[in-house]
Amino acid sequence: RKEVEQDPGPFNVPEGATVAFNCTYSNSASQSFFWYRQDCRKEPKLLMSVYSSGNEDGRFTAQLNRASQYISLLIRDSKLSDSATYLCVVGRYNFNKFYFGSGTKLNVKP
Amino acid sequence: EAQVTQNPRYLITVTGKKLTVTCSQNMNHEYMSWYRQDPGLGLRQIYYSMNVEVTDKGDVPEGYKVSRKEKRNFPLILESPSPNQTSLYFCASIRGGSDTQYFGPGTRLTVL
Repeated sequence: RKEVEQDPGPFNVPEGATVAFNCTYSNSASQSFFWYRQDCRKEPKLLMSVYSSGNEDGRFTAQLNRASQYISLLIRDSKLSDSATYLCVVGRYNFNKFYFGSGTKLNVKP
Repeated sequence: EAQVTQNPRYLITVTGKKLTVTCSQNMNHEYMSWYRQDPGLGLRQIYYSMNVEVTDKGDVPEGYKVSRKEKRNFPLILESPSPNQTSLYFCASIRGGSDTQYFGPGTRLTVL
């Protein structure tokens, strides 16, 4: 079983739509949780860390459910520039080892 | 400018010809890591280093070596490359006490 699983998509949405991605992780000992954004085989860039209390950054909201071992990302008012692949990342062993999902592709259409 | 650099960015080589991909960061980060990215598999960790002279295996270390003689550099060595090592490779660094990874631009390696 993969450490981190994501729906690969693609999610095709119109501008202004709200879209949600989920990600599940298999190891309950996981300690840190992130969403990264990756544009067309370029380097991943941190979008946001995910905390148990949930966190919001502008149009982006991330939630963590430790009991069910899933992480979510909500994007409101989608922009064309949000088109990218979103990677769910889980860290263990005092931030030494990181496990990446294979990514969810988002296409925002005019 | 704070950054992680990798060289070369693109490399085509042949089976068995030793190669080194360099990684350097100018942020004085303690932690550095190498990943490979393959379609459908996501990024997988090859090796990581907690600090100078401290390295450890990630999930897919077979066929790779690393060294960390200086804080800023973390080269990835393929002693005898094989076609199944054709991939996109990323180097990353993290400041101690933080959890944000800064990635290099990637090295696209093709082994014929």
